[in-house]
Amino acid sequence: DIVMTQTPLSSPVTLGQPASISCRSSQSLVHSNGNTYLSWLQQRPGQPPRLLIYRVSNRFSGVPDRFSGSGAGTDFTLKISRVEAEDVGVYYCMQGTQWWTFGQGTKVEIK
Amino acid sequence: EVKLVESGGGLVQPGGSLRLSCAASGFTFSSYWMSWVRQAPGKGLEWVANIKQDGSEKYYVDSVKGRFTVSRDNAKNSLYLQMDSLRAEDTAVYHCARLDYGAYVRTFDFWGQGTLVTVSS
Repeated sequence: DIVMTQTPLSSPVTLGQPASISCRSSQSLVHSNGNTYLSWLQQRPGQPPRLLIYRVSNRFSGVPDRFSGSGAGTDFTLKISRVEAEDVGVYYCMQGTQWWTFGQGTKVEIK
Repeated sequence: EVKLVESGGGLVQPGGSLRLSCAASGFTFSSYWMSWVRQAPGKGLEWVANIKQDGSEKYYVDSVKGRFTVSRDNAKNSLYLQMDSLRAEDTAVYHCARLDYGAYVRTFDFWGQGTLVTVSS
């Protein structure tokens, strides 16, 4: 199984400041077809997960452009350019290259 | 608007059975793979099962193989998860999720609120 490891597990952020979450996979997420199936999801308190980013850097419909994804191979990053109050929640990276596995989650909270 | 609404959760004894349902609306259900993903209390997410558009292919995480069965009824826009031989470690909120599966993307793009399954004596 591909293990996804996120850092940090908790991220206190000041409103309006940037935030960054890292995700590392135990093996390359490059599929034999050349695509990299790495997604980011947001789970606000009491809500189901919501897709933010797919295939490393593609924002899903309706996702604000303050969210961006980057990376390649085994190392990936989610960045929030300016954190807003509604961004509080847990963020998960997820790979779909070999079945589907998730990172442990990173809790983003306001300082 | 895509909507996924789960039902059927509850308290069951170890070794017991439960059947979860997911009612889908707002999209052409028969055109999409569908999935179940669970979340143990206070824990992260775990993919459980997938089913192809016509039900001809089904895949499961190793920990539920032989105990859980995923199925669908495209005429009723519904997804199901039959859970047998339940164990304490199956306790979780079970989310129904739409799987966008193809060469270009492989991700869960819409999720239901979930239904809680508690396995305890």
